[in-house]
Amino acid sequence: EIVLTQSPGTLSLSTGERATLSCRASQTISNDYLAWYQQKPGQAPRLLIYGESSRATGVPDRFSGGGSGTDFTLTISRLEPEDFAVYYCQQFATSPRTFGQGTKVEIK
Amino acid sequence: QVQLVESGGGVVQPGRSLRLSCAASGFTFSSYAMHWVRQVPGKGLEWVALISYDGYDKSYTDSVKGRFTVSRDTSKKTVFLQMNSLRAEDTAVYYCVKEGRSLRRSGPFDYWGQGTLVTVSS
Repeated sequence: EIVLTQSPGTLSLSTGERATLSCRASQTISNDYLAWYQQKPGQAPRLLIYGESSRATGVPDRFSGGGSGTDFTLTISRLEPEDFAVYYCQQFATSPRTFGQGTKVEIK
Repeated sequence: QVQLVESGGGVVQPGRSLRLSCAASGFTFSSYAMHWVRQVPGKGLEWVALISYDGYDKSYTDSVKGRFTVSRDTSKKTVFLQMNSLRAEDTAVYYCVKEGRSLRRSGPFDYWGQGTLVTVSS
């Protein structure tokens, strides 16, 4: 099983700042098989980024993904009020399809 | 537009059974694998089960193997999760999720249902 470890657990930032979230895998994953999700309170997760930084439908271009091998990042270039949420990475290269434990982006 | 609507959640005693349903619409149901993912309130996401587009391949997370069974009815465009011998640790919101790539290709989870809460308690 591939274990994904996200850091930091919580990121306290202000609107307009840049957010960089990390996801580290216990073994090498092709970046074709890594995805990022956003979840707001009381809502289902929403697909943001998959593969080599492909954005899902409707996702603004301030969201971008990067990395390779075992280290991946989600970057939000300038935080908007609606971006404060919990973010999860996920690998879909192997079964079980594991998720990271999440990073909460909160308003500073 | 793609819609996934779960039903069947509720409160159940330990050791009892529950069957969740997920009605799908807005896409070619018979071409996509489907998953169940659960989330303990306030905690992270846990993948639970997969059923392939044709229903032949199924896989489960270790903690539910032998207790949960995933199935699908193509004519009704519905996915099911039969949960037997329920335990307190199965308490969670259960999401029905669509595979992002068709047929046997592995993809991200591109559409999620709203979730249904299962509470296992005496």
